[in-house]
Amino acid sequence: GNSVTQMEGPVTLSEEAFLTINCTYTATGYPSLFWYVQYPGEGLQLLLKATKADDKGSNKGFEATYRKETTSFHLEKGSVQVSDSAVYFCACGSSNTGKLIFGQGTTLQVKP
Amino acid sequence: DVKVTQSSRYLVKRTGEKVFLECVQDMDHENMFWYRQDPGLGLRLIYFSYDVKMKEKGDIPEGYSVSREKKERFSLILESASTNQTSMYLCASSRTTSGNTIYFGEGSWLTVV
Repeated sequence: GNSVTQMEGPVTLSEEAFLTINCTYTATGYPSLFWYVQYPGEGLQLLLKATKADDKGSNKGFEATYRKETTSFHLEKGSVQVSDSAVYFCACGSSNTGKLIFGQGTTLQVKP
Repeated sequence: DVKVTQSSRYLVKRTGEKVFLECVQDMDHENMFWYRQDPGLGLRLIYFSYDVKMKEKGDIPEGYSVSREKKERFSLILESASTNQTSMYLCASSRTTSGNTIYFGEGSWLTVV
């Protein structure tokens, strides 16, 4: 079945630093790929998604590109803010059902 | 905006109690899901439903059951709560199959003592 592996956290950065959170997936077919964000005390919110190879998802300064050749969907942001502190989850959509398979999550802490 | 509402944010239950977690969505979505979130393990799918009265087991269904009598409501049931079921439970819904965006509720923190 599908699986998702994220880089381990926590990741601690200073404000305005560059962020990369690595995500790789294993799947058959052509799954959709997602990044969700969870702020403290809240549920998960969709951050961005990509539905086919070479697509780039973007939102709130975050970007991720669907790389089929490396089965990756790394999350990047050029300049993080304190308000970006949260847990980030990479997810892979099953090609046959509506299910999402999630990575273990990466905690990001941004210090002023 | 899609709204997925979980009835209880925080619950404390005793070992052996029967626990109901309720979830309602207001967007006429066909699919509904229950996930469990634990530190270091990410989100794990307990059960999902793709239609009224239809359900399928996810990755960790043991100790849980579900009910979907109406399209907008999906209930998770712990028949006899145990301490290892202490966790954050997240309900979600989506419109169609094939990887469409899933919308989450705010979560229910369950502590079993």
